[in-house]
Amino acid sequence: EVQLVESGGGLVQPGRSLRLSCAGSGFNLDDYAMHWVRQAPGKGLEWVAVISRDSGSIVYADFVKGRFTISRDNAKNSLYLQMNSLRPEDTALYYCAKEPNGYFFYDYWGQGTLVTVSS
Amino acid sequence: DIVMTQSPDSLAVSLGERATINCKSSQSLLFSSNNKNYLTWYQHKPGQPPKLLIYWASTRASGVPDRFSGSGSGADFTLTISSLQAEDVAVYYCQQYGKTFGQGTKVEIK
Repeated sequence: EVQLVESGGGLVQPGRSLRLSCAGSGFNLDDYAMHWVRQAPGKGLEWVAVISRDSGSIVYADFVKGRFTISRDNAKNSLYLQMNSLRPEDTALYYCAKEPNGYFFYDYWGQGTLVTVSS
Repeated sequence: DIVMTQSPDSLAVSLGERATINCKSSQSLLFSSNNKNYLTWYQHKPGQPPKLLIYWASTRASGVPDRFSGSGSGADFTLTISSLQAEDVAVYYCQQYGKTFGQGTKVEIK
């Protein structure tokens, strides 16, 4: 069974950092591009970042450039999102999702991990 | 950057009736080399992750009931639920090229 399980969320003060993880099982992570998507409370889905199968191509949404870093460890079947200089507007449920390479859609999503940025 | 605009923001439809959601892209999503439109529809229910419904504008994902259909090409797309069921109450999102989402359309029962 394919599973994506996010972890690492929590309450953090503005300006601080947090690292999210996404553990995949039931499939080989290195067959897929991987994405982070977030949903702020009461808002819609917002794409955050994508990393290609071999980490050779990485793209970020404009609002996180220079603050967030997406990475992966295919040997550990894991995806990461390092979030620095966090702002209250980064408060959201963060999902990881997998994309069959080059297909430009997500066939599976995790359940999400909640990040709250507040003093 | 490509902007995705859905309409309406919400709609209420009677059980068994048709629901239609529109999605407009600020640029064409048609990839000429393979004639695919990289437009995806997801269904999102509270407390659950989003679910893939339609990809490449009109291809139903595995297990999706055939009352859901997608159409359109270029920059204008439509998701149709031919006969609304109670379990279809959700927010529906379109997405371009695996990145930007529309703002979502909330579907409710009238």
